[in-house]
Amino acid sequence: DAGVTQSPTHLIKTRGQQVTLRCSPKSGHDTVSWYQQALGQGPQFIFQYYEEEERQRGNFPDRFSGHQFPNYSSELNVNALLLGDSALYLCASSSTPLGEQYFGPGTRLTVT
Amino acid sequence: GQQLNQSPQSMFIQEGEDVSMNCTSSSIFNTWLWYKQDPGEGPVLLIALYKAGELTSNGRLTAQFGITRKDSFLNISASIPSDVGIYFCAGLRSTGGTSYGKLTFGQGTILTVHP
Repeated sequence: DAGVTQSPTHLIKTRGQQVTLRCSPKSGHDTVSWYQQALGQGPQFIFQYYEEEERQRGNFPDRFSGHQFPNYSSELNVNALLLGDSALYLCASSSTPLGEQYFGPGTRLTVT
Repeated sequence: GQQLNQSPQSMFIQEGEDVSMNCTSSSIFNTWLWYKQDPGEGPVLLIALYKAGELTSNGRLTAQFGITRKDSFLNISASIPSDVGIYFCAGLRSTGGTSYGKLTFGQGTILTVHP
C-alpha cells in the first residue's frame, strides 16, 4: 500500500520565479492538505482540498494556490517567490477532511 | 500563525529512561495527534486521540487527551536509541459551521537518547 508521495524531492528557484509541487495521496484517501515547515518550526497549514475544491485556508497570501484533480492528487503553486518561501513543503492526505492526516516526505524548496 | 505550546523544547536522556512531554492550548480541540519527525523526512503519525480523557497506547508510547480538551500528553517508556527525533503534537477541530479541519502544530520536542 503506497503512502503519500511528493515530487520533486528538492528544488532550487530564484526570487520572482514560480514553482509547482505535486502530491499523490495514500490509497483510499480523498482529502489533501498542504503545510509549510520552516527550519526548527512545526508545520503551518496552507490549505486543504476536498472534492476538487479548496475547503479551508491558513494565513498565506494569494501567491499560494492549489488544485486537486479527479484522481485526488494535488498541486501546490507558489508565484513570485520570496527568499522567505524557502522551507520544507509537506503534503498530507486523509480519508475525510477531519480524518487522521498522513504526511509525505516533503519537498525541500530553496529560493536564492 | 497560531501554535500549540509544547514542552519541553528538548530532552537529553539515557537509554532505558522514561520520557514525558505535553502540549497545551488556549482553545479546545476535537482530536489530538502525536507525530515523530526524523531529519529531512515528513512527520509520521504515532497516536490519534478522539475523546476527552482518552488514554491510548502504541507499543511503548502512551498518550492522553486532556479532560479540558485543551491539552494532551505523550509518554515513552524504556527509551531506546531509535526514539531519537522531533516529536510534535497537533490539534484538529472543525471551525465554525464547516466540517473541514486544519492541523495546528506545537513547536516540537527534540529528543536525544544516549546509549
